[in-house]
Amino acid sequence: SQTIHQWPATLVQPVGSPLSLECTVEGTSNPNLYWYRQAAGRGLQLLFYSVGIGQISSEVPQNLSASRPQDRQFILSSKKLLLSDSGFYLCAWDNGNTIYFGEGSWLTVV
Amino acid sequence: DAKTTQPTSMDCAEGRAANLPCNHSTISGNEYVYWYRQIHSQGPQYIIHGLKNNETNEMASLIITEDRKSSTLILPHATLRDTAVYYCIVRVASFNDYKLSFGAGTTVTVRA
Repeated sequence: SQTIHQWPATLVQPVGSPLSLECTVEGTSNPNLYWYRQAAGRGLQLLFYSVGIGQISSEVPQNLSASRPQDRQFILSSKKLLLSDSGFYLCAWDNGNTIYFGEGSWLTVV
Repeated sequence: DAKTTQPTSMDCAEGRAANLPCNHSTISGNEYVYWYRQIHSQGPQYIIHGLKNNETNEMASLIITEDRKSSTLILPHATLRDTAVYYCIVRVASFNDYKLSFGAGTTVTVRA
């Protein structure tokens, strides 16, 4: 069966520090991969999606970036975090029929 | 913008069936109805989806009206662990429809 994992689950980072959130999918090949952000009490905002290795599309201009170095690995990064980057980040994968989400990562920028 | 409307909240007694309504009057012919739920501080969990026929799996049943303008998610025997926010969304079941639009959802509270 397919599974998705993302880590770390929670982190507190100072303003201006770098960020790296990692996501891996098991049990499937060539999935579409996504990074979403969910602000408190609000809906999902699509940040990045990828249809293959090295192929990244950005939905929202910001100081975040994404990379897909391997087929089932998706990384969300930032060189310098802002206070406004705080939130709940979700990795997801798509089998062409249903989108499945990871456990989420809580980021607090202080 | 969300294409669905759901009640803000509802309570359910433990062990009883929970019926969650959703209106999607502008649904297109190739759009499916999906249900997810989100327990606090966790990622959304896929529950079920359907096009026009009723669907059932180990978690729930989905009843879609004949005109497809509304649907009902049924949790047959609600437990305390079913307390969550439930989201009804519509999307095309393909790689090209990935910009999920989650509305406010229905906050379901299961009481002992």
